[in-house]
Parts: sequence; structure tokens; C-alpha cells
Amino acid sequence: DIVMTQTPLSLPVTPGEPASISCKSSQSLLDSGDGNTYLDWYLQKPGQSPQLLVYSLSYRASGVPDRFTGSGSGTDFTLKISRVEAEDVGVYYCMQRIDFPLTFGPGTRVEIK
Amino acid sequence: VQLVQSGAEVKKPGASVKVSCTASGYTFTNYYIHWVRQAPGQGLEWMGIIIPSGGSTTYAQRLKGRVTLTRDTSATTVYMELSSLRSEDTAVYYCARDRGGDENIFDYWGQGTLVTVSS
Repeated sequence: DIVMTQTPLSLPVTPGEPASISCKSSQSLLDSGDGNTYLDWYLQKPGQSPQLLVYSLSYRASGVPDRFTGSGSGTDFTLKISRVEAEDVGVYYCMQRIDFPLTFGPGTRVEIK
Repeated sequence: VQLVQSGAEVKKPGASVKVSCTASGYTFTNYYIHWVRQAPGQGLEWMGIIIPSGGSTTYAQRLKGRVTLTRDTSATTVYMELSSLRSEDTAVYYCARDRGGDENIFDYWGQGTLVTVSS
């Protein structure tokens, strides 16, 4: 199975300030055949089901604000929030889907300072 | 698009549980359905996928033999059955729609069903 790791596991943030979450995979998530990187980001807000934020490394899901940016390559990935807002609190998960079983990172809890 | 799951369950160790996920607002047979679970205070674990049109399934190896996904196309409902329950199976179980074909991107999620395994 592909192992996903995330750092930090907890991230206190100040509204209006930037934030960054790192995700690493135990194998490359780049499909050399089609050129896609099969790495997605989900946010689980308190008391809610997870929601899709970013797919295929860097494509924002419908309705996701442009302050969220996904980047990276191969086995190292980053989700950046340019200016954190109060509604961004929750647990952020990266997920690989290049191979079954689909696997998630442990999650990064973002909270307001 | 809505995925509405059945209510919370309490089961004894060794028993089985069957959770339903009823879809509406789209053509049921056009989109695959995944199941993901989350133990209390823990992260997300993918369990398996079912193709509603034909019923084909793929399961996480670690759950293989204990999990069964089925569907009823007339009721636009997918079922997740987990057998030989253990305390470690206590979790919130989510169904999630695959955005397109076999992309394995979850664009809509159910509200979750808490399954508690306790003697």
C-alpha cells in the first residue's frame, strides 16, 4: 500500500496570514502514461463530512476559493492557503488515487490562534 | 445531488451490520460509489467501490472477506455490509460518489453513519 504522511499534524494559524501543509507519498503519484499526478486534498470541517478541495495535484474543485493552491511533484506535495479565513478551520487530508487501496494522509488540523 | 445514509447502529462483537446509502438528483447507474470510514478521532480509511450499473466491486485487501457492497438500482441505493464485527470497526461510515467514471475523486458525500461495536 502507498503510505501518505503529512506535516504538521496541527497548525495554529492567524486569520489573514498564509498557511502551508506538506504531504509525502511512499511512491510517485505521477502516471507517466497520461502525465497526471493522482493526488487530491480534502477538508473535513468540524462535524461535517469531508469535502473535495483540490484534485489531480492542482485543480480546485467547484466553488473552492482561489486562496487554496495545490502544488508539488512525484512524492512531495503542498497545499497552501494564501490568507486563512475563519471558515478554513478543520482537518485537511491528502489522498492518493494512483493505485488501490486509495490511501489518505493522517490529516492536518488547522485551527485559529 | 444527495446521498442519504441510514441511521446509527449498535452491534455486538461478531455480528454484522448493513448500512444503506440512497442516492438522488442524478442518474444512479452513471456514477460509482465508494465507502470510507473514520474511527473516532482518527483519519479516513477507504473500504471499497461499487459500480452501480453492473454491480462490480473492488475492496480494500485488509477488509476483504468481511465487507460486501451491493446495490439496488430500482431503489437507487447502495449497501455496505460488514461482518464479524470487532471493537476496532467502531467508526463513522461514509458513502461518497465518484465524480466521473473511475476517477476515484469523491465529489459528494453522505452524512455518515455511526456504527458502534460494543458488548
